Amino acid sequence: AQTVTQSQPEMSVQEAETVTLSCTYDTSESNYYLFWYKQPPSRQMILVIRQEAYKQQNATENRFSVNFQKAAKSFSLKISDSQLGDTAMYFCAFMKPLSGQGGKLIFGQGTELSVKP
Amino acid sequence: KAGVTQTPRYLIKTRGQQVTLSCSPISGHRSVSWYQQTPGQGLQFLFEYFSETQRNKGNFPGRFSGRQFSNSRSEMNVSTLELGDSALYLCASSTQGGTPSTDTQYFGPGTRLTVL
Repeated sequence: AQTVTQSQPEMSVQEAETVTLSCTYDTSESNYYLFWYKQPPSRQMILVIRQEAYKQQNATENRFSVNFQKAAKSFSLKISDSQLGDTAMYFCAFMKPLSGQGGKLIFGQGTELSVKP
Repeated sequence: KAGVTQTPRYLIKTRGQQVTLSCSPISGHRSVSWYQQTPGQGLQFLFEYFSETQRNKGNFPGRFSGRQFSNSRSEMNVSTLELGDSALYLCASSTQGGTPSTDTQYFGPGTRLTVL
């Protein structure tokens, strides 16, 4: 069974600085997808970034980027130029898609990020 | 495009009652997944529906059930409510499995269920 571990329950960062959130996962699969979602106080789960395991290039979305280390089974999220609106719970998630059979997300326990002015 | 919508947003029930939650996916999305979020257990997968059929199921008791309609809207039902069923229930939709873009799940705002 796949598992996802986020070892940092809480983190804080000053506005405009850079912060990195850690995520490790365990799987014997070679093809899978990884995601970072953020959940602000409104509780709306918002997709931040996704990574396909077969791609070596790290995904980037504006101020958000990942460091994907497949051999180490590590998938960290870097937030550059942190903004107050980045304050949220961040979840790392794993999905092993089953062709024609969908796939379920397996989530880590989350990291609560506070951006301080 | 409108996002995933869930109704109601808040519910208060008492033990032993049953409850039905509704989810309308993004237009064109045929897969609907349900997740339960609690402080103790985190986010856990309940089940997924695709083309009116349950395609995947998590490890929840039979009191938790669902269905999907021909327009892809989905409902989730919990019977004989227990205190431990108090949670945020999240619904997510995607087009269908196979590629990253279609596997990406987009979430609704959730239904907060409180069982007294």
